[in-house]
Amino acid sequence: QQPVQSPQAVILREGEDAVINCSSSKALYSVHWYRQKHGEAPVFLMILLKGGEQKGHEKISASFNEKKQQSSLYLTASQLSYSGTYFCGTADPVYGGATNKLIFGTGTLLAVQP
Amino acid sequence: DGGITQSPKYLFRKEGQNVTLSCEQNLNHDAMYWYRQDPGQGLRLIYYSQIVNDFQKGDIAEGYSVSREKKESFPLTVTSAQKNPTAFYLCASSIGEYEEKLFFGSGTQLSVL
Repeated sequence: QQPVQSPQAVILREGEDAVINCSSSKALYSVHWYRQKHGEAPVFLMILLKGGEQKGHEKISASFNEKKQQSSLYLTASQLSYSGTYFCGTADPVYGGATNKLIFGTGTLLAVQP
Repeated sequence: DGGITQSPKYLFRKEGQNVTLSCEQNLNHDAMYWYRQDPGQGLRLIYYSQIVNDFQKGDIAEGYSVSREKKESFPLTVTSAQKNPTAFYLCASSIGEYEEKLFFGSGTQLSVL
């Protein structure tokens, strides 16, 4: 079951904050987050492996709520370089975190304006 | 610098033609993957390989074929049986199979003439 990301798109001014959500109808083992700029390779941001775990990458952090079967990505004091499409990949406990079993969301387009 | 190289960046296919997309990595990763990306959709797995001379079908393998003769190389052939091949194709690799981050190439845009 494909995870649902929200919002589908968001426009920010530099310095503003944003939250991107990734929700699943099934139990989650882990959540991956990636960022992709247009025509470029997706770049790994972080993996959340435990329920409730929060991880950070520069001013980007994420949480993982196992009970709610969702993860949220927090972008603080956004910079122009944060623009791109963010997508999550979720792993089903049945497969024990197997990377080849990741199911990816449709992505959230983030545009940061000066 | 280590990374994944995909070529060509753009590729055009004629009706009834097979085309091959190249993917080479110098990260010494065991696992390699091919994903298809369509507008408004998530990445979908076509094939993956855990080790040399071994590969498994992903969710949308029909109309595609792969080989893994060398650890560094994982070419994807889009055959004439794939009726809707226009998409952005991404190759990726990971150190291992579980809880590993994916390293992606910069992709190949395939279009049908």
